[in-house]
Amino acid sequence: KAGVTQTPRYLIKTRGQQVTLSCSPISGHRSVSWYQQTPGQGLQFLFEYFSETQRNKGNFPGRFSGRQFSNSRSEMNVSTLELGDSALYLCASSTGTSGSSWTDTQYFGPGTRLTVL
Amino acid sequence: QKEVEQNSGPLSVPEGAIASLNCTYSDRVSQSFFWYRQYSGKSPELIMSIYSNGDKEDGRFTAQLNKASQYVSLLIRDSQPSDSATYLCAVEGPGGFKTIFGAGTRLFVKA
Repeated sequence: KAGVTQTPRYLIKTRGQQVTLSCSPISGHRSVSWYQQTPGQGLQFLFEYFSETQRNKGNFPGRFSGRQFSNSRSEMNVSTLELGDSALYLCASSTGTSGSSWTDTQYFGPGTRLTVL
Repeated sequence: QKEVEQNSGPLSVPEGAIASLNCTYSDRVSQSFFWYRQYSGKSPELIMSIYSNGDKEDGRFTAQLNKASQYVSLLIRDSQPSDSATYLCAVEGPGGFKTIFGAGTRLFVKA
C-alpha cells in the first residue's frame, strides 16, 4: 500500500505571496491532519479534516487554511506569506474512524519544505 | 506553561543500557498518549500509544502512564545505536482529533 504523499517537496516563495500544498493520504484513510515543524516551535498542529469537514484546528492565524476533497486528498493554503512561515509542513493520515478519542495511528508524509524569502 | 513538556536533551546512553525519556502534560482530560520517533531528516513515526494508567510493553519499548501525575515516560531497553533519534511525546488535544507534540528529546546511543 502506498504511503502518504505530499507535493511539492520543496518550495521557495517570497513574502506576500500565497502557497498551496497538497497531501494524498493512504488509500482508505479519511482523516488528514496538517502540522508545521520548525526548529524553534517544534511540531505544531494546524488542522484536521475528515470526510471534507474540519474537526479541529490549532492556534494559527486565518492566513492558514485547508480543505479536503471527496477523495480524501487535502490541500492547505497560506496567504500573504511571512518569513516566519518558513518551515517543514507535514501531513498525516489515519482511518479517522476511532470515535471521539484519538486512537488512530497517524502516518506521516515526507513533508513539504517551504522557504520564504 | 507548555501543553506537553519534555527535556530537550541530548540524552546520551551507552549501547545496551536503558534509555529513559520523560514527558509531562497540562490537560487533565487528555485520554490518548503517544511516543513518536523522528530520525534526522525524516518524518515522525509512531512507536507506542498508551491510554490506561500503568505500563505497556512492546518489544524493547515500555510506555508508562500516570494520569494523576500527568506524566508519561518511555523506556528503551538494550539501547542500540539505531535508536539514536529524536523522541516526541504527544497527547490528544482539547476537542479530540488533535495531537499536541512536545519539543522532543534527542537520544544518542554510543556504540
